[in-house]
Amino acid sequence: GENVEQHPSTLSVQEGDSAVIKCTYSDSASNYFPWYKQELGKGPQLIIDIRSNVGEKKDQRIAVTLNKTAKHFSLHITETQPEDSAVYFCAPPGSGAGSYQLTFGKGTKLSVIP
Amino acid sequence: DTEVTQTPKHLVMGMTNKKSLKCEQHMGHRAMYWYKQKAKKPPELMFVYSYEKLSINESVPSRFSPECPNSSLLNLHLHALQPEDSALYLCASTRGAGVTEAFFGQGTRLTVV
Repeated sequence: GENVEQHPSTLSVQEGDSAVIKCTYSDSASNYFPWYKQELGKGPQLIIDIRSNVGEKKDQRIAVTLNKTAKHFSLHITETQPEDSAVYFCAPPGSGAGSYQLTFGKGTKLSVIP
Repeated sequence: DTEVTQTPKHLVMGMTNKKSLKCEQHMGHRAMYWYKQKAKKPPELMFVYSYEKLSINESVPSRFSPECPNSSLLNLHLHALQPEDSALYLCASTRGAGVTEAFFGQGTRLTVV
């Protein structure tokens, strides 16, 4: 199965600043790299994902970058807003028979201070 | 409709009770999942159903019994639970057994007393 490490575990930023969260994975055959956001009292929701044939993907203030050689991918949030406060999980599914089974990182609690 | 609906939202049960959690999706997804999430921890996979057949059981105790009556519904039957089973139970679905977006319900907050 996939071994996943996510850093940092907590992150506090001032409103308007940028936030970066990094996820390291072990399965070199992985080809799908999603980030999920979980707000208090809700289930996780996909916010952005990237496939292995692309190095970067952007969606407004959110971007994901992938370094397949180093086996890590990062979530970038620019111009942070209070509503970005949540727990963020990387969840690469790995490859092989269990590849539809998400392996969640430990999560990063992001606090955006107004 | 991109929703996964879970009922009930909250459940308090005694250790001798039998209860069921329900999950429903109408996106035509053929894989459905149960996850357990303790406070300040990531979701942990419990069961996976693919095309209405149980394909993964992550060594979950038999007091948890999943059921998939049809492609839109997923149940989790609970019996003789322990206080340490108190957690948020999340249902999710994906289009199929491949790498794709997972849609999660809001979860059932279960408290065992």
